[in-house]
Amino acid sequence: QVTLRESGPALVKPTQTLTLTCTFSGFSLRTHGVCVSWIRQSPGKAPEWLGRIDWDDDKYYNTSLKTRLSISKDTSKNQVVLTMTNMEPVDTATYFCARLMATEEGFDYWGQGTLVTVSS
Amino acid sequence: SYELTQPPSLSVSPGQTATIPCSADKLGNRYVCWYNQMPGQSPVLLIYQDNKRPSGIPERFSGSNSGNTATLTISRTQALDEADYFCQVWVNNTAIFGGGTKLTVL
Repeated sequence: QVTLRESGPALVKPTQTLTLTCTFSGFSLRTHGVCVSWIRQSPGKAPEWLGRIDWDDDKYYNTSLKTRLSISKDTSKNQVVLTMTNMEPVDTATYFCARLMATEEGFDYWGQGTLVTVSS
Repeated sequence: SYELTQPPSLSVSPGQTATIPCSADKLGNRYVCWYNQMPGQSPVLLIYQDNKRPSGIPERFSGSNSGNTATLTISRTQALDEADYFCQVWVNNTAIFGGGTKLTVL
């Protein structure tokens, strides 16, 4: 059974750095072709893709946020970590992690999401 | 930048067929995925590679993609299909989502 779960702070102050952890089970990021992405969604808006890390440690980021994002993995712990610097109120959103087996196959499993509010 | 355009809202009567379009330049040259999302829930993958259904997704959901438009078709629409629907593609290793269509079943 594949599951993903996001964890991290619910509230961060402007200019602070956000660190979120995606802990997953039922698959391994050592397996060829497996990827994990981070996606966020502001209330009432469409999902916005943030980035992805692949089984071979390749990483891809949303170009508009690239300078603020970093994604890493710990395969021994089955975790993927998102770091986003210089948080602003507009970054308030629900942050999801999702599995991707191949780009053409879509995000087949999603975490429940974690709401992050940016406010002083 | 590449943009996927969806109508903000659509309505359908129970038992009828809902067709949700997603448009972009030469979209037919790309693989399209479709998701739905109930309020407060995570998105669920409905269609991948234009027209394939993951296991567990009812046959009532089907997809097509040609020219500049991809379409999600929901046959025999039920009240539980009321949700937001998003199309998604990959462009240069970047995932792009459409703006979403709120489907109302009434």
